[in-house]
Amino acid sequence: QVQLVQSGAEVKKPGASVKVSCTASGYTFSNYVIYWVRQAPGQRLEWMGWINAGNGNTKYSQKFQDRITITRDTSASTAYMELSSLRSEDTALYYCARDYTRRIAGIFDLWGQGTLVTVSS
Amino acid sequence: EIVLTQSPATLSLSPGERATLSCKASQSISSYLVWYQQKPGQAPRLLIYDASSRATGIPARFSGSGSGTDFTLTISSLEPEDFAVYYCQQRSNWPPYTFGQGTKLEIK
Repeated sequence: QVQLVQSGAEVKKPGASVKVSCTASGYTFSNYVIYWVRQAPGQRLEWMGWINAGNGNTKYSQKFQDRITITRDTSASTAYMELSSLRSEDTALYYCARDYTRRIAGIFDLWGQGTLVTVSS
Repeated sequence: EIVLTQSPATLSLSPGERATLSCKASQSISSYLVWYQQKPGQAPRLLIYDASSRATGIPARFSGSGSGTDFTLTISSLEPEDFAVYYCQQRSNWPPYTFGQGTKLEIK
């Protein structure tokens, strides 16, 4: 079964970091790009960055450039998104998604189930 | 950054009716427009890419049109499972990829 499975919900204090994982199964992980998208309460979907699972190249949204790191472990077919210096506005549902093609097409096809990150003191 | 504006915010229709959803871009994005459907508690689902190409497994009642700055998602005859929130997204001018604010399609 082709799917992306994300790690569980997290509660963090302001200023802390969070690392969310996204494990792929049912397809060749290194053939596709993985994107990270978040959805804050009442806000539109927001693209954060991507990683080429094959060569490890990354690209980040300028909004998160200073605080985000996306990595991958090909042996575990898993991508990771780490966001640092968390603030209350980072409270959101974080999704990973695979590209529809084998290129960096920006078409978000296969999605994980989402990971709720709550930032609260 | 390209801003996408969707209208209406909420659309109230009955099963069997035709739904027309709009997405307008702040500048031309050619045909690089994508549509998603999201139901409560679920991740978005890819429906249409490049303005008019249906993704794998998407029923023929969903169609997309438009180019430049004006785009439309049409659902020809609403099924009960089609009531959801619909988002558009541009992949023309990135980073960043950007999304519209969504249109909620609700049962009348």
